Amino acid sequence: EVQLVESGGGLVQPGGSLRLSCAASGFTFSSYEMNWVRQAPGKGLEWVSYISSSGSTIYYADSVKGRFTISRDNAKNSLYLQMNSLRAEDTAVYYCAAGCGYWGQGTLVTVSS
Amino acid sequence: DIVMTQTPLSLSVTPGQPASISCKSSQSLLHSDGKTYLYWYLQKPGQSPQLLIYEVSSRFSGVPDRFSGSGSGTDFTLKISRVEAEDVGVYYCMQGIHLPLTFGPGTKVDIK
Repeated sequence: EVQLVESGGGLVQPGGSLRLSCAASGFTFSSYEMNWVRQAPGKGLEWVSYISSSGSTIYYADSVKGRFTISRDNAKNSLYLQMNSLRAEDTAVYYCAAGCGYWGQGTLVTVSS
Repeated sequence: DIVMTQTPLSLSVTPGQPASISCKSSQSLLHSDGKTYLYWYLQKPGQSPQLLIYEVSSRFSGVPDRFSGSGSGTDFTLKISRVEAEDVGVYYCMQGIHLPLTFGPGTKVDIK
């Protein structure tokens, strides 16, 4: 069974940092492109970042470029999102997704003083 | 960026009746590889999005055959042949041909 389990969310003050993790199992993680997608409370879906299967190609949404860093460890079947200089508008549930097919349950990030 | 629009934004359906959602993209989603990268997701209340349809018309693993997708280029449709109570939630279309991936605003479906 395919599983994606996000962790690392929580309450952080504006300007702070968090590191999200996504643990993958049940499929060949190293063969999949991965994405982070977020959803602000009561809002729609917003793509955040992409990383290729090898990690050699990375893209970011303009809204997070220069502040967020995506990475992966294929040996550990894990995906990461380092989030720095957090803003109130980054408050959202963050989902990791394998390609476009499999999604985790999400982890909530709240940026507030 | 490719803009995705959906109509209607909300839909109230009697169980057993059909439902249809339209999705339009601001650019063609037909790739040079011959595939069209249009996806449909359902986000049930309190859950993460789940993939229903990929590449316009292919049902994802475990998706009931009452769900079907059609369309080409920039115009796409998701149809539910007979709505069931478990189909309530928000339906999103998404384009996967170009980054940034972009989603439609969502169509909220509930049961009458």
